[in-house]
Amino acid sequence: DAKTTQPTSMDCAEGRAANLPCNHSTISGNEYVYWYRQIHSQGPQYIIHGLKNNETNEMASLIITEDRKSSTLILPHATLRDTAVYYCIVRVFSNAGNMLTFGGGTRLMVKP
Amino acid sequence: DVKVTQSSRYLVKRTGEKVFLECVQDMDHENMFWYRQDPGLGLRLIYFSYDVKMKEKGDIPEGYSVSREKKERFSLILESASTNQTSMYLCATKSEQFSLGYEQYFGPGTRLTVT
Repeated sequence: DAKTTQPTSMDCAEGRAANLPCNHSTISGNEYVYWYRQIHSQGPQYIIHGLKNNETNEMASLIITEDRKSSTLILPHATLRDTAVYYCIVRVFSNAGNMLTFGGGTRLMVKP
Repeated sequence: DVKVTQSSRYLVKRTGEKVFLECVQDMDHENMFWYRQDPGLGLRLIYFSYDVKMKEKGDIPEGYSVSREKKERFSLILESASTNQTSMYLCATKSEQFSLGYEQYFGPGTRLTVT
């Protein structure tokens, strides 16, 4: 699996867009980019995933560069409740052992 | 709404005790997972199950066993708890119908302390 690199922490003002970067320079053609987040004292929560096209859902947008070596998760209007650790994961789609392994993630602090 | 519950939020056990952590889901999902999460090490898979009575080892199965007698329930067992098993334990589920994505749904976690 491709390794990912994320900044340790970021701050964002409430109501502004939060842009969380992730580098995955060794990603291979059949690997997807997934984002999860974990709010303090809770289990991880799925946010979004993509292969090469940009994706958007009710929670966030995922922008993947053309060479797929990096991506950015965008929370368009961050709220205090978005304060969490955000994990970028790169995995091959496979039914055998659909397991997750998280690295350190980015601790996003949304400030009023 | 998807619901995954774990038997305890906080648990304190003594070294050598047998510990049972239970996870129950109400979504009729085929796949269930047990992870542990430790500072600096992220989330690591212990065991997973893709059907009743089926189980597969994850990355760190040593010192653990699991049981899945019913579809909705997946138990993690520490046969003889040790201090290095102090951790946050997370249960997750996933439906085969949505196997295109890693949309795993997590429980709230059990923080286990072994003294």
